[in-house]
Amino acid sequence: NFMLTQPHSVSESPGKTITISCTRSSGSIASNYVQWYQQRPGSSPTTVIYEDNQRPSGVPDRFSGSIDASSNSASLSISGLKTEDEADYFCQSYDDNNHRVFGGGTKLTVL
Amino acid sequence: EVQLVESGGGLVKPGGSLRLSCAASEFTFGTYTMNWVRQAPGKGLEWVSSISSNSNYIYYIDSVKGRFTVSRDNAKKSLYLQMDSLRDEDTAVYYCARDRPGGGSVFDYWGQGTLVRVSS
Repeated sequence: NFMLTQPHSVSESPGKTITISCTRSSGSIASNYVQWYQQRPGSSPTTVIYEDNQRPSGVPDRFSGSIDASSNSASLSISGLKTEDEADYFCQSYDDNNHRVFGGGTKLTVL
Repeated sequence: EVQLVESGGGLVKPGGSLRLSCAASEFTFGTYTMNWVRQAPGKGLEWVSSISSNSNYIYYIDSVKGRFTVSRDNAKKSLYLQMDSLRDEDTAVYYCARDRPGGGSVFDYWGQGTLVRVSS
């Protein structure tokens, strides 16, 4: 099986742009879709990006996703940061046996 | 609005058993793959198990194989997780989550979670 590695934390000021990486340890990042979930304190996760770069309805276009085969990683970018974006973000993919794999999560602080 | 409501959590001694339930509403439960995902206190998310719409395909994370059993009753619109031989490390909030239709293994709706504490 593979692992997904995320930075433990990232912080930035309101209005700026951040990017959170999610690196796959083995196998190609392009082999299986990557999702991103936002979890605010005390709440259940919600999807902000699915299938690498798709946004669910209701998620602002400030959120975008991409994959980079050269670094074997996926990325979540958030532009025009707002204090309400402060949350934990988890990437997720799956293997060929349909076992789901989560990254360890990244705590975003908007100062 | 899709609703998933978990129940059945609580405090149990190591080696004990617990059965979690997830009641679904406002969608055609019997046509969706369903999942259990857990989160230990202060930790990240961990997928536990998936069950296909007709129960033909069932998957578990290795650490719970042989101890946990997932099942569903489509007539009752309910998902279950029977947890036996519980260990300290099973302590977590357990979420019921629905798969987005069309593949891609996306969790599109989550319940509010139920807390399982394993402690002597």
